[in-house]
Amino acid sequence: KAGVTQTPRYLIKTRGQQVTLSCSPISGHRSVSWYQQTPGQGLQFLFEYFSETQRNKGNFPGRFSGRQFSNSRSEMNVSTLELGDSALYLCASSSGDRGSPLHFGNGTRLTVT
Amino acid sequence: AQKVTQAQTEISVVEKEDVTLDCVYETRDTTYYLFWYKQPPSGELVFLIRRNSFDEQNEISGRYSWNFQKSTSSFNFTITASQVVDSAVYFCALSEAFNSGNEKLTFGTGTRLTIIP
Repeated sequence: KAGVTQTPRYLIKTRGQQVTLSCSPISGHRSVSWYQQTPGQGLQFLFEYFSETQRNKGNFPGRFSGRQFSNSRSEMNVSTLELGDSALYLCASSSGDRGSPLHFGNGTRLTVT
Repeated sequence: AQKVTQAQTEISVVEKEDVTLDCVYETRDTTYYLFWYKQPPSGELVFLIRRNSFDEQNEISGRYSWNFQKSTSSFNFTITASQVVDSAVYFCALSEAFNSGNEKLTFGTGTRLTIIP
């Protein structure tokens, strides 16, 4: 069974630009979550999608948005990039049941200059 | 608010030694789940174990064992006879319940484990 696939692996963007990250979940998984990992803040929850609906959202500004498609694939968008958005963005999929473990992808490392 | 504390920032041990990674959590939920994840240098978080709040049985999987003690809100992880491949950052995480079903994970700050050959 293929794991969670994130593309691209690396991105370099300039302040003010926008970026879209992509995530393909494990086949059969209906829930996709996104996390931001930085040295200073650690791992922080961004949002979770289940059956194309955002089910939960973390404490991030509206510049961070996402969506999920009917095939469960998900995209995350960050607009008006700031230097502080430089991070490893991790996508995880699960069955969506309470307590089901998250299975993470390799992440997309975003650098904002 | 939920909180996970991993007080050990970095640990180094010589290969074949045993090592225990500590995890202490805070939650007001009566039903919750605890997890351990491993993050090797490649970046992905690898799921190791899940434990729910009603199951205090300790678990052993090969060289790995976990000790869950609700009375002290701890969920510690022990690696026996450590190997160089165990070198990674290890995260403890706690689920937070939402009415809508699945939940977000609150992660600890991680413990960087280095196994010295």
